[in-house]
Amino acid sequence: ETGVTQTPRHLVMGMTNKKSLKCEQHLGHNAMYWYKQSAKKPLELMFVYSLEERVENNSVPSRFSPECPNSSHLFLHLHTLQPEDSALYLCASSQEAGQYEQYFGPGTRLTVT
Amino acid sequence: GENVEQHPSTLSVQEGDSAVIKCTYSDSASNYFPWYKQELGKRPQLIIDIRSNVGEKKDQRIAVTLNKTAKHFSLHITETQPEDSAVYFCAASWGSNTGKLIFGQGTTLQVKP
Repeated sequence: ETGVTQTPRHLVMGMTNKKSLKCEQHLGHNAMYWYKQSAKKPLELMFVYSLEERVENNSVPSRFSPECPNSSHLFLHLHTLQPEDSALYLCASSQEAGQYEQYFGPGTRLTVT
Repeated sequence: GENVEQHPSTLSVQEGDSAVIKCTYSDSASNYFPWYKQELGKRPQLIIDIRSNVGEKKDQRIAVTLNKTAKHFSLHITETQPEDSAVYFCAASWGSNTGKLIFGQGTTLQVKP
């Protein structure tokens, strides 16, 4: 596998479920990001990690909980989500946390029922 | 707060014509402006970026111009081809070390053969 991968690609969950999204980057980058992409809205930055340390939390509700065990892996733990949380969740990585090109994964299409 | 406005939301051109997408930003401290292209069902990819110490940058058929006084920047695509059809996102960053980007709402470009 090369680049940035995400699993699962599609996820349907009820509002009481707990699930996790996984992201892995094979680029040797030190920064990783979670974005939310909803229809007709801009890409919204959720979290930024630099060398496993969270450096940005863009006012995201606590029902979204990120985890970065190492610089290659990033998780987004989901619990008690709302239907308005349905969106495409994109992971990205960059060489460092700063003004560098961000490489995106294919995304996880999440539907909350 | 920080804001990036992007216009138009949709743009349709004939193959061979030029296309121009404009963005304005609110934070005068912004100093990095990337453009991402997202083809249907695919991940966003960086196509060009510009920093505030440069007024214009070109890469083959695409160019970006920056007017710091007016706080706007534009993407220019010349000799458009059907494969240029995609959603284009502008973004702005203000020198943070977190990689935080504020994205515009996106422009859907359709190039008609």
